[in-house]
Amino acid sequence: GAVVSQHPSWVICKSGTSVKIECRSLDFQATTMFWYRQFPKQSLMLMATSNEGSKATYEQGVEKDKFLINHASLTLSTLTVTSAHPEDSSFYICSARLAGDTQYFGPGTRLTVL
Amino acid sequence: SQKIEQNSEALNIQEGKTATLTCNYTNYSPAYLQWYRQDPGRGPVFLLLIRENEKEKRKERLKVTFDTTLKQSLFHITASQPADSATYLCALVSSGGYNKLIFGAGTRLAVHP
Repeated sequence: GAVVSQHPSWVICKSGTSVKIECRSLDFQATTMFWYRQFPKQSLMLMATSNEGSKATYEQGVEKDKFLINHASLTLSTLTVTSAHPEDSSFYICSARLAGDTQYFGPGTRLTVL
Repeated sequence: SQKIEQNSEALNIQEGKTATLTCNYTNYSPAYLQWYRQDPGRGPVFLLLIRENEKEKRKERLKVTFDTTLKQSLFHITASQPADSATYLCALVSSGGYNKLIFGAGTRLAVHP
C-alpha cells in the first residue's frame, strides 16, 4: 500500500517550452502533496506544499509563476515548469502524506532542458 | 541558522559489519525525525520514524536512536549486506504546519562483499 507514481519518469525539452509532471497516489487519498527538487549529490529541497482544492504554498525563493502547481483531486497533483531553461534541469520528486506523519515518495522525474 | 548535517563522505564497510550513520541538527526542535533510503535515480523510501520522546526504535536489522540533548540521531544497519548499499537521508519535520520535511544531504553507504 501507499504507492505514489509520477509521470513521466524522464523528459527532455527545448528551452522556453513548458513541461507538466503528474503525481498520483494510487491506493490512498492524499490531502497534502509535496514537490521537491534534487540536484546531483544534493539534498531534496522542498519547493511547495500542495493541498487539494486550495492554492499551493511555495517555499522562499521558489517562483510560483514559474512552477505552477495544481492539486485538483485527492489523488492527483501536477507541477508545470513554465518556460523551462537549462538551469531548471533537475530531478523532481513528489510525495504524498497519508494520515499521520509519514510521506510516501514518487519515483521522481528527470527533467533535462536543452 | 538551521542546519541538518550528515557525513558527506561515503561510508565503506565490509559485509556482515554494522554500519552507523550520523545525523546532527542545529536550531531545530523537531517533534520527530525520519530516515529514508534513496537509490540512484529513484525517490526516497521511508524506513523509520522516531519521536522526540523515544530513545530508540528498531525494525528488523535497522536501529535508530534520537538524542534531543545532543541534537543527534544515529542510524544503524546490523549484519550489513551489499544490497544495503544506497544513500541514507535523515529528515526533520519543520514547524509551521503541513508537517514539512527538511532533509539532510544524505550519506552514501557502500557495503563490500
